[in-house]
Amino acid sequence: NAGVTQTPKFQVLKTGQSMTLQCAQDMNHEYMSWYRQDPGMGLRLIHYSVGAGITDQGEVPNGYNVSRSTTEDFPLRLLSAAPSQTSVYFCASSYSRTSQLFFGEGSRLTVL
Amino acid sequence: AQSVAQPEDQVNVAEGNPLTVKCTYSVSGNPYLFWYVQYPNRGLQFLLKYITGDNLVKGSYGFEAEFNKSQTSFHLKKPSALVSDSALYFCAVRDMIEEGKLIFGQGTTLQVKP
Repeated sequence: NAGVTQTPKFQVLKTGQSMTLQCAQDMNHEYMSWYRQDPGMGLRLIHYSVGAGITDQGEVPNGYNVSRSTTEDFPLRLLSAAPSQTSVYFCASSYSRTSQLFFGEGSRLTVL
Repeated sequence: AQSVAQPEDQVNVAEGNPLTVKCTYSVSGNPYLFWYVQYPNRGLQFLLKYITGDNLVKGSYGFEAEFNKSQTSFHLKKPSALVSDSALYFCAVRDMIEEGKLIFGQGTTLQVKP
């Protein structure tokens, strides 16, 4: 079972470049989320989705876009990368609001 | 809006002693509460959850957590700590109104010494 798959695992960008972090799950989960993890700040919610075609902002949405055209995929787009977006990004999914989140292995992004 | 606080950045305990990792929350309605653990350079793993019912919930690896509605707390506990329990622990809350949002605390590093 693949679970939640994130790509790439590592990425280095220059300030102003754009990129997309890919996330795919094969568990038919309705709920999907993107978090960033920074030292001392825990995991902060960027964007989330409760089903295909539905997305909403989390705690720190600025500078990021998402879309959910299918149940399986939930890509995160950085429009114009900034050094403040250097972080580890996690995608997660769950079957319902009461069930556990399954996390991907993370994507480490460095913006120079 | 919901929020979670983990008041301790680090908890130190000797192997064999009981451990407690604290968590308090704030939500508009009834909470759904979760604990996760993260080992170095890995994603998060689910430990246990409280949805409704018994205030004491049991989870993986011998961990348990006590839900206290009046104190809005959900502390993680284990009767006898192991060195292998050393990791980063996160408490998280989802409320019934904004059900898509699962908000995490800052995390608590648990250090178990032999």
